[in-house]
Amino acid sequence: DQQVKQNSPSLSVQEGRISILNCDYTNSMFDYFLWYKKYPAEGPTFLISISSIKDKNEDGRFTVFLNKSAKHLSLHIVPSQPGDSAVYFCAASDSGGSNYKLTFGKGTLLTVNP
Amino acid sequence: ETGVTQSPTHLIKTRGQQVTLRCSSQSGHNTVSWYQQALGQGPQFIFQYYREEENGRGNFPPRFSGLQFPNYSSELNVNALELDDSALYLCASSQDAGQNNEQFFGPGTRLTVL
Repeated sequence: DQQVKQNSPSLSVQEGRISILNCDYTNSMFDYFLWYKKYPAEGPTFLISISSIKDKNEDGRFTVFLNKSAKHLSLHIVPSQPGDSAVYFCAASDSGGSNYKLTFGKGTLLTVNP
Repeated sequence: ETGVTQSPTHLIKTRGQQVTLRCSSQSGHNTVSWYQQALGQGPQFIFQYYREEENGRGNFPPRFSGLQFPNYSSELNVNALELDDSALYLCASSQDAGQNNEQFFGPGTRLTVL
């Protein structure tokens, strides 16, 4: 069973526009959420995170929104740049565990067109 | 500060063989996690090592085992390889095992089982 779901395998946007990547989760024990970006032949790199006690976290062009009642989070990138083209993974963790295990979605391939 | 490195980059094995994958964590990081990323999927947690002891395990059989050494290096061993073990194997190191410690990923080892 997939506890973290990214239902859009791909997304294409124009440079300068907003990119919105979505993620849903089913495990109510998850209380910390992260977005990772992955370029080909590289490992995932951390982008931004949000704790379940917040509903928004912003870092420069990147904002993550969390709707706990809907078990949904989204990543907004404004303005989108061609260098943002990558696979984006949503991940979640449960602080009740003894380890910081991340549960990932399948990823969304973002293409930003010049 | 050097990043997380993994070796080898690519590996081809046949069914039934054994394989050892290696990871060098960032200096000072006492926690390493291993993930398996099958084609078209997100990374899936295999296990975590904290100060050379296993600190949690995902849904993987015992033929997946690991070691962590005092010099910030670690190994993932897989015995009796199966075709479904073909995947990208990622290691991630963090300063500690707690939830707020960012995980830094290596570029991965691509394993192909024929």
